[in-house]
Amino acid sequence: DAGVIQSPRHEVTEMGQEVTLRCKPISGHDYLFWYRQTMMRGLELLIYFNNNVPIDDSGMPEDRFSAKMPNASFSTLKIQPSEPRDSAVYFCASSLGGGADNEQFFGPGTRLTVL
Amino acid sequence: RKEVEQDPGPFNVPEGATVAFNCTYSNSASQSFFWYRQDCRKEPKLLMSVYSSGNEDGRFTAQLNRASQYISLLIRDSKLSDSATYLCVVCNTGTASKLTFGTGTRLQVTL
Repeated sequence: DAGVIQSPRHEVTEMGQEVTLRCKPISGHDYLFWYRQTMMRGLELLIYFNNNVPIDDSGMPEDRFSAKMPNASFSTLKIQPSEPRDSAVYFCASSLGGGADNEQFFGPGTRLTVL
Repeated sequence: RKEVEQDPGPFNVPEGATVAFNCTYSNSASQSFFWYRQDCRKEPKLLMSVYSSGNEDGRFTAQLNRASQYISLLIRDSKLSDSATYLCVVCNTGTASKLTFGTGTRLQVTL
């Protein structure tokens, strides 16, 4: 079975450009998470969805970041305009249910570089 | 103070050695604890959950000390394939599904 799928795997863009990251969760998983990983701050939760509804976006750094989940099999994380400090690896994860007893499965990540 | 703190390492150990990592957490309300493993340039993967009574999975033993708010991971008979970054993770009751990750401890096992 396919795991969590993310695209693109690598993205290099210039400051000020719009960036859209994509995620397809594991089929049947009701929860979807977006994380950002940097050397300094480690892995941080940005936002998560339950049944396509955003539940907690308190980790979204600022208004330049937005996330959507139009259906159960697709989510996007958009940065507009992008800045060099947004350079990081962005992971999407999904789980079958909520609660700590439901393992989160991570996608391979998108490595974003903003010049 | 970070909610989850780990020694970044690296820990360089020879094959066959026993190595232990500790992690401390600041939120006494934290209820669930995990160790994740992350290989270089790969995604994190769940290694094991951590229970108050301690739990073992093959060469790996995890323990939780609630009074001191720390979690440990012991790896016995280290293999080259154990080389990775080990992430300490906590989850707080009432914030369903929200995992807080430490920045990780890097382990390098050498011949």
